[in-house]
Amino acid sequence: DAGITQSPRHKVTETGTPVTLRCHQTENHRYMYWYRQDPGHGLRLIHYSYGVKDTDKGEVSDGYSVSRSKTEDFLLTLESATSSQTSVYFCAIRDTSKDRYTFGSGTRLTVV
Amino acid sequence: GQSLEQPSEVTAVEGAIVQINCTYQTSGFYGLSWYQQHDGGAPTFLSYNALDGLEETGRFSSFLSRSDSYGYLLLQELQMKDSASYFCAVGATNKLIFGTGTLLAVQP
Repeated sequence: DAGITQSPRHKVTETGTPVTLRCHQTENHRYMYWYRQDPGHGLRLIHYSYGVKDTDKGEVSDGYSVSRSKTEDFLLTLESATSSQTSVYFCAIRDTSKDRYTFGSGTRLTVV
Repeated sequence: GQSLEQPSEVTAVEGAIVQINCTYQTSGFYGLSWYQQHDGGAPTFLSYNALDGLEETGRFSSFLSRSDSYGYLLLQELQMKDSASYFCAVGATNKLIFGTGTLLAVQP
């Protein structure tokens, strides 16, 4: 499988605290994505990156920021966590030669 | 914007054939993909259609009609391990937008 890892796998945090999730790839792909998954909503795009320091918003970007200082790392930050951000977060990388996305194992975030 | 519609649940018996339909509305469309997700796991790629027609990969086939904004995933010789959620997704301008998923339950 493609090398993509997410950390942490699980996190519980308090409302109002900042939280950063990390996605790391070893495939040198240009495109990286952050999705959240909630029951009844499928996978919704938060932000994506098309290169180092190049990012754009997705469908549900409010309350989230991202950074990509290196090809291999894509960070998702919740500036001030809210209970509505309790979700499972998936990172993905895109192989443009096959238009195939490979997902990380996910981070289950609970905001209490 | 983009929107996709697929059935929320489908039930079938082992050994049968099942078809999961997907209709979409999007701008900048360049392909329809299908992903499988087992409970608690990550979505995994199944198929991709950029052009009209049928793509076959083993027991799974996927079809696309661009003029109808419609596609389907066909699963043959169903096995218990095929019980999972199946998502259609449209590729549009550097990103992939997912439908809400179809939960397939395969019964013995």
